[in-house]
Amino acid sequence: DTGVSQNPRHKITKRGQNVTFRCDPISEHNRLYWYRQTLGQGPEFLTYFQNEAQLEKSRLLSDRFSAERPKGSFSTLEIQRTEQGDSAMYLCASIRQGVGNEQFFGPGTRLTVL
Amino acid sequence: DAKTTQPPSMDCAEGRAANLPCNHSTISGNEYVYWYRQIHSQGPQYIIHGLKNNETNEMASLIITEDRKSSTLILPHATLRDTAVYYCIAGGTSYGKLTFGQGTILTVHP
Repeated sequence: DTGVSQNPRHKITKRGQNVTFRCDPISEHNRLYWYRQTLGQGPEFLTYFQNEAQLEKSRLLSDRFSAERPKGSFSTLEIQRTEQGDSAMYLCASIRQGVGNEQFFGPGTRLTVL
Repeated sequence: DAKTTQPPSMDCAEGRAANLPCNHSTISGNEYVYWYRQIHSQGPQYIIHGLKNNETNEMASLIITEDRKSSTLILPHATLRDTAVYYCIAGGTSYGKLTFGQGTILTVHP
């Protein structure tokens, strides 16, 4: 159990560019969550997967955002045509359904859109 | 999820107990109370959760009032490394989505 990992840890991009983040959950964790956190605020739920199925998306997840978890293991979050308002910390968390209530969070990817 | 209210900031002396309050007056009978903390530039870390009974683990104790409208997280012997933002969450959907508020910034000073 090496914990949840996220890559990259930091990303600086210009407005209008596309970016993709990766999350590797703890192995055997079948549920995976994405959150977004802006400065001074608590994390906000974006979407979650159970295995490879994306079962809920927040209204915060505009059509420029897409998330995948193709084989039920790692997940990617892509933002197309980035805007300055997308600047935030993007957090990933995972849990093994039926085994406790503790969500394990990764260190996050900090996105800065110039 | 029920709305939670926490003080924006608190101070605590190192070695003393830190008692962090949380109001969740609209919590429903089957909703849990969760506490997470977030140390600067890290992801949130689970601390403890409970439904009705008081709970204790190696990190903290959770005291829930009998009417379940409020709770207190107790760090029995605060250290400088406990300086963080502490989030109280009441609810949690069946699939585990967490609704964070703004939390309490706890500063432990020497």
